[in-house]
Amino acid sequence: DTGVSQDPRHKITKRGQNVTFRCDPISEHNRLYWYRQTLGQGPEFLTYFQNEAQLEKSRLLSDRFSAERPKGSFSTLEIQRTEQGDSAMYLCASSWKGEKLFFGSGTQLSVL
Amino acid sequence: DQQVKQNSPSLSVQEGRISILNCDYTNSMFDYFLWYKKYPAEGPTFLISISSIKDKNEDGRFTVFLNKSAKHLSLHIVPSQPGDSAVYFCAASAADSSYKLIFGSGTRLLVRP
Repeated sequence: DTGVSQDPRHKITKRGQNVTFRCDPISEHNRLYWYRQTLGQGPEFLTYFQNEAQLEKSRLLSDRFSAERPKGSFSTLEIQRTEQGDSAMYLCASSWKGEKLFFGSGTQLSVL
Repeated sequence: DQQVKQNSPSLSVQEGRISILNCDYTNSMFDYFLWYKKYPAEGPTFLISISSIKDKNEDGRFTVFLNKSAKHLSLHIVPSQPGDSAVYFCAASAADSSYKLIFGSGTRLLVRP
């Protein structure tokens, strides 16, 4: 049983650079979620896919953020022109019929 | 607008005693509640859940209680063990919102040997 896999685990970048994260959900799961967590806070919802369709985006997701799930399997989250405020842990989760979400280990982004 | 609140940032208990973690919510449309456990540098791990049609769910040492009228839920861990030391997040979802989870800010539990 392979869980949700995220790559890379850590990313350090300079302000203004673009970064891309990948998430591989549990294979039979059709729903995929992206969350962001900062220190001392709980995970905050960013966006949600059912199969390849992006069905909801949070207002937290500025124009610099884009997510895709081209074939309804893995997903990518890209941040363009990174800012220091983007520093956070980016979590991916998947589920089959909703309710219980299974999370990956996250990608820790540091923007210098 | 914090829909799920965990007002205690930290809790310290003696090994073998009961740990009680509390959570309040404001959105009456929430119909499913979950507790997640998180270790540093890892993603949250599902612990236990409860549907709004129940008021109690038990799984081994972990019991979740739901009081819908008070919009309050709690997680009881009995007996507490040092390995339970982690950050615990309460989360809620509604079936008509794509089951996206709304999380509280977490409670850091320390179980002292």
